[in-house]
Amino acid sequence: AQSVTQLDSHVSVSEGTPVLLRCNYSSSYSPSLFWYVQHPNKGLQLLLKYTSAATLVKGINGFEAEFKKSETSFHLTKPSAHMSDAAEYFCVVSGPNNNDMRFGAGTRLTVKP
Amino acid sequence: GAGVSQTPSNKVTEKGKYVELRCDPISGHTALYWYRQSLGQGPEFLIYFQGTGAADDSGLPNDRFFAVRPEGSVSTLKIQRTERGDSAVYLCASSLNGFETQYFGPGTRLLVL
Repeated sequence: AQSVTQLDSHVSVSEGTPVLLRCNYSSSYSPSLFWYVQHPNKGLQLLLKYTSAATLVKGINGFEAEFKKSETSFHLTKPSAHMSDAAEYFCVVSGPNNNDMRFGAGTRLTVKP
Repeated sequence: GAGVSQTPSNKVTEKGKYVELRCDPISGHTALYWYRQSLGQGPEFLIYFQGTGAADDSGLPNDRFFAVRPEGSVSTLKIQRTERGDSAVYLCASSLNGFETQYFGPGTRLLVL
């Protein structure tokens, strides 16, 4: 079985400052890890995914995440926040076949002007 | 190309009624998934289809919930004798073959009065 814990339910940053959204995972086997973003009234969009290749994963819109096995973490970062980044972000873990995805509770990112 | 579409976008019904929610996956995607997202939570897995058959229905909460995919494309999620606790956003996703990235639709917001 696998699960994820998103450590912050809400993160607020100023435009132009760095973003850090934290995620810890639990898995009994080598996991696949994902970050999805959900804008209001829009479908979930894949930001990036880790599938046992490079531990630093680059995604769309300047986001990246680093897989740290020793810390069981997969935190999402972005050097400089933009107003359009305001949304709900979900960390997701799955098993080998990507069919049993488990979502975290989500982190709501607010970007202040 | 067209993404995953879901209809209706919103559905209001009364307790005890029957509802059907429809999902049109991306053309050519053999795998289709249903999730339920309650307010303030991440999506929870309900059922996964590979082609016409339900490969995993372990997430369906009880026998009031049923889903079909008779021709391996469009899927319908059916809820009998709806309860107020069924109120949620129902999300559909599809992937090319069950091993690739899942692409999500915008969801159907169900409100049971």
